[in-house]
Amino acid sequence: EAGVVQSPRYKIIEKKQPVAFWCNPISGHNTLYWYRQNLGQGPELLIRYENEEAVDDSQLPKDRFSAERLKGVDSTLKIQPAELGDSAVYLCASSLDNGGYMRETQYFGPGTRLLVL
Amino acid sequence: GQQLNQSPQSMFIQEGEDVSMNCTSSSIFNTWLWYKQDPGEGPVLLIALYKAGELTSNGRLTAQFGITRKDSFLNISASIPSDVGIYFCAGRSTGNQFYFGTGTSLTVIP
Repeated sequence: EAGVVQSPRYKIIEKKQPVAFWCNPISGHNTLYWYRQNLGQGPELLIRYENEEAVDDSQLPKDRFSAERLKGVDSTLKIQPAELGDSAVYLCASSLDNGGYMRETQYFGPGTRLLVL
Repeated sequence: GQQLNQSPQSMFIQEGEDVSMNCTSSSIFNTWLWYKQDPGEGPVLLIALYKAGELTSNGRLTAQFGITRKDSFLNISASIPSDVGIYFCAGRSTGNQFYFGTGTSLTVIP
């Protein structure tokens, strides 16, 4: 079974430029997460989707960040314009929320390493 | 966002020694997860815990869900060089949000 796929793996851009990241979750997983991980820190949630609905985007900086998951499968995360402080690893994760007991666990992709110059 | 208190921050141990790390929260969690992250990769799930008091093993790894639902620990027995990496705890809150610890960096000296 294929894991969570992310692209690109690395991205270097100049500040004020736009950037987009793509994620394809594990097949059949209805919940998708985007995290940001700063150097030496644990991942911090940016947005969580259940199917195509964003159910938690409270930590997403909405002035410059946007995300979509139009068909409830793959997702894109965009930053426009990028700032120096956006340099981090952007991780995508997915899980199967089967309701009831809520035994969901997350599986992570390899991440996209963003460097803003 | 909230980050859980994870300790120790780093460990340097001899190969063959046992390792113990823990994670605490001010909030109650419904699920505790332990991940290992290698350089340049995403976190990989090691153990998942779903009930207070639950003790689960995965090979040389053992983890427990604290009975207060506010803490968890991970033990690694007889460490080997490939155990090197950063270990993260994560908890799922009653509001279905996931929070991660700050990580424990493990170095195993052959």
